[in-house]
Amino acid sequence: QVQLQESGPGLVKPSETLSLTCTVSGGSISSYYWSWIRQPPGKGLEWIGYIYYSGSTNYNPSLKSRVTISVDTSKNQFSLKLSSVTAADTAVYYCAKGAEYYDSSGGRTAWDAFDIWGQGTMVTVSS
Amino acid sequence: SYVLTQPPSVSVAPGQTARITCGGNNIGSKSVHWYQQKPGQAPVLVVYDDSDRPSGIPERFSGSNSGNTATLTISRVEAGDEADYYCQVWDSSSDHLEFGGGTKLTVL
Repeated sequence: QVQLQESGPGLVKPSETLSLTCTVSGGSISSYYWSWIRQPPGKGLEWIGYIYYSGSTNYNPSLKSRVTISVDTSKNQFSLKLSSVTAADTAVYYCAKGAEYYDSSGGRTAWDAFDIWGQGTMVTVSS
Repeated sequence: SYVLTQPPSVSVAPGQTARITCGGNNIGSKSVHWYQQKPGQAPVLVVYDDSDRPSGIPERFSGSNSGNTATLTISRVEAGDEADYYCQVWDSSSDHLEFGGGTKLTVL
């Protein structure tokens, strides 16, 4: 069973870069979409972006100018960098795996659903 | 961007049926996924592609999607179903992913 574990600093200073890593265990990082999602305290979920194992990426337009997601297949990890952070970036950050289901004709479906999530890591932006 | 609208809260008595809606422009043309999130925990996928259930999710959880509204239905509600529920779609026109604002289900 695939498991995900986020790691990185829990405190980041304003204007600095937030850096997190998600380690994939129990399976290969190849062949799936991998996302970062965040949740400010008491608020809803916000998709940050995804990376495909091949390296192609797609980011939330509202964060695109500050986000970089990368993958290291040799380490079975993918990472998030969010630059120029402010207090508004304070949140629980989750990494998540894109699902792999198949429809009745054998076609892959629900690639954009998240079937496995990390436990989440709280990141506070404060001086 | 594509907006998904959920009611902030839904309340239901144990044993009754809860229906949580997710509104969006022509959402019936998209595949909707639903997540359950309990306090202090990561979300769990409970319905994908409008109405399919991942392995391990009780049959009490079902979904539908038509027109401008997708619905997550929880039958024979139990106290353990109390949680926040989020809908989610991929908007192909803007090429990115959206979550609804979430609905807090309270079991009376």
